[in-house]
Amino acid sequence: KAGVTQTPRYLIKTRGQQVTLSCSPISGHRSVSWYQQTPGQGLQFLFEYFSETQRNKGNFPGRFSGRQFSNSRSEMNVSTLELGDSALYLCASSREGTGSGYTQYFGPGTRLTVL
Amino acid sequence: AQTVTQSQPEMSVQEAETVTLSCTYDTSESDYYLFWYKQPPSRQMILVIRQEAYKQQNATENRFSVNFQKAAKSFSLKISDSQLGDAAMYFCAYSSLQGAQKLVFGQGTRLTINP
Repeated sequence: KAGVTQTPRYLIKTRGQQVTLSCSPISGHRSVSWYQQTPGQGLQFLFEYFSETQRNKGNFPGRFSGRQFSNSRSEMNVSTLELGDSALYLCASSREGTGSGYTQYFGPGTRLTVL
Repeated sequence: AQTVTQSQPEMSVQEAETVTLSCTYDTSESDYYLFWYKQPPSRQMILVIRQEAYKQQNATENRFSVNFQKAAKSFSLKISDSQLGDAAMYFCAYSSLQGAQKLVFGQGTRLTINP
């Protein structure tokens, strides 16, 4: 079974631009979560989607948004990029989204650099 | 809110020896899941082991085992017969059974294997 895929793997943007990252979950997984990883803040939860609905969002500004499609693929968007948005963005999928603590499987990440 | 603490930023061990990584967490919930993830230099987050809080028996996966002390809110990872491929950042993570799929991560422990 194919794992979680994320595209693109690397991105370089300038301040003020916007960016869209994509995540395809493992087949049959309906929950997709996004995390931001930085050296200073570590791994932080961005948001989680299940059946096209955002069920929870972390403590990030409104510039960070996302969506999920009917095939469970998810995208996250960051508008008006700031230097501090430079990070590794990780997507994870899990088999069920009922809050039962099913294991999350991670993609390889998208490395975003903001200049 | 739940928190996860890893007090050892770095650890090193000789190849073939045993090493234990520490993790403590804070929660008011009685049922939850705990995980250890490994992140090698490739940055891909890989599940190492998982423990359900309602299970008293400690989880084991080949050379990896945990010591789960629920009353002490402690969840350490033991790696036996360490191999060069075990070198990575190790993250302890907590998942509630309530609400959305969301992992709360510790700060990580960088494990070095000395040949």
